[in-house]
Amino acid sequence: EVQLVESGGGLVQPGGSLRLSCAASGFTFSSYWMSWVRQAPGKGLEWVANIKQDGSEKYYVDSVKGRFTISRDNAKNSLYLQMNSLRAEDTAVYYCARDKNSGSYVDYWGQGTLVTVSS
Amino acid sequence: QPVLTQSSSASASLGSSVKLTCTLSSGHSSYIIAWHQQQPGKAPRYLMKLEGSGSYNKGSGVPDRFSGSSSGADRYLTISNLQSEDEADYYCETWDSNTRVFGGGTKLTVL
Repeated sequence: EVQLVESGGGLVQPGGSLRLSCAASGFTFSSYWMSWVRQAPGKGLEWVANIKQDGSEKYYVDSVKGRFTISRDNAKNSLYLQMNSLRAEDTAVYYCARDKNSGSYVDYWGQGTLVTVSS
Repeated sequence: QPVLTQSSSASASLGSSVKLTCTLSSGHSSYIIAWHQQQPGKAPRYLMKLEGSGSYNKGSGVPDRFSGSSSGADRYLTISNLQSEDEADYYCETWDSNTRVFGGGTKLTVL
């Protein structure tokens, strides 16, 4: 059974940093592109970033470029999102997600972790 | 970059059928999309991949009541024999040139 378990969310002040983690199991992690998708309170889904199987390609939504960094450790079956210079508008539930093919669409979702940016 | 347009809300009666629409922007009518369901307070769940031909592939455990179809730039999700647990938000998703796009979502109410 595919499982994606996020951790690392919490309350952070504007301008602060946070690192999200996602522990993957139930599939060959190193064979899949992986993504982060977020959902602001009461709003729809927004893709944030994704990363190729070997980490050689990474892509971001414009609003987080230069502030967020996606990474992975295939030996630990883990995906990460380093978030710096956080803003109030980054407040959201962040979902770890598996991409079906070469960064195409999500076929499995984690349960999400809440990030709140507030003073 | 493609844009996906969805109606903000829909409603249908218990036991009936409903057809939700996701429309691709001009120049992107051949794109493949995915449908996702998000029940209240839960994470999204992948339902199916849907091609412009109307061919679809459902995710693991998705009931037979869920089906997909296409016409031009429109991608449809049909839910038959509506159940109370089908009351949820439904999102479509597509991708292009290393970017991913979600529609705004349709909130389905089961009456």
